[in-house]
Amino acid sequence: DQQVKQNSPSLSVQEGRISILNCDYTNSMFDYFLWYKKYPAEGPTFLISISSIKDKNEDGRFTVFLNKSAKHLSLHIVPSQPGDSAVYFCAARPLGSYGKLTFGQGTILTVHP
Amino acid sequence: GAGVSQSPSNKVTEKGKDVELRCDPISGHTALYWYRQRLGQGLEFLIYFQGNSAPDKSGLPSDRFSAERTGESVSTLTIQRTQQEDSAVYLCASSLGESQHFGDGTRLSIL
Repeated sequence: DQQVKQNSPSLSVQEGRISILNCDYTNSMFDYFLWYKKYPAEGPTFLISISSIKDKNEDGRFTVFLNKSAKHLSLHIVPSQPGDSAVYFCAARPLGSYGKLTFGQGTILTVHP
Repeated sequence: GAGVSQSPSNKVTEKGKDVELRCDPISGHTALYWYRQRLGQGLEFLIYFQGNSAPDKSGLPSDRFSAERTGESVSTLTIQRTQQEDSAVYLCASSLGESQHFGDGTRLSIL
């Protein structure tokens, strides 16, 4: 049972344009959501997070949107840069539970110069 | 170093052998996690240590898998009688608060 799903295995965008990465979840107990970025042969690095009391969180070029009623979140990167090319994972956990994260399968983002 | 350190970075072993993977968390981080990532898949939770509390072992796939942590420092993940389906990247993370900081992983290949 995949509780966090990233239905697009890959995304290709042009440098300077917007990248939109999507994530859906099924567990209504999830209250805290994170995005991680992963380069080959490296561990994931934390990008941005959002709790369920918000519907938007912004950090520089990265914005995460949360639609609780649809159980959907998205990561917007604008403008996209070639260095953003990586695998992006969304993850979720119940708020206040500093325990395991449930990860999606990842989306490979390629930003073309 | 300042980050999470894992060793070895690569391990190739024969089916049926035992393997031990090591994780050095960021100093001061009270929580430590093990995940694995099979080819083309997302990260799969294995086990979580928080301070002196009993670990959350709910993600361990079988009794061949075990992990220990000494205080708030080093952790070892042991896989006994390895099988080919154990081939994966094993990732360790540590945290003090919300976000988990990951090491670069150990790539385990079972022949």
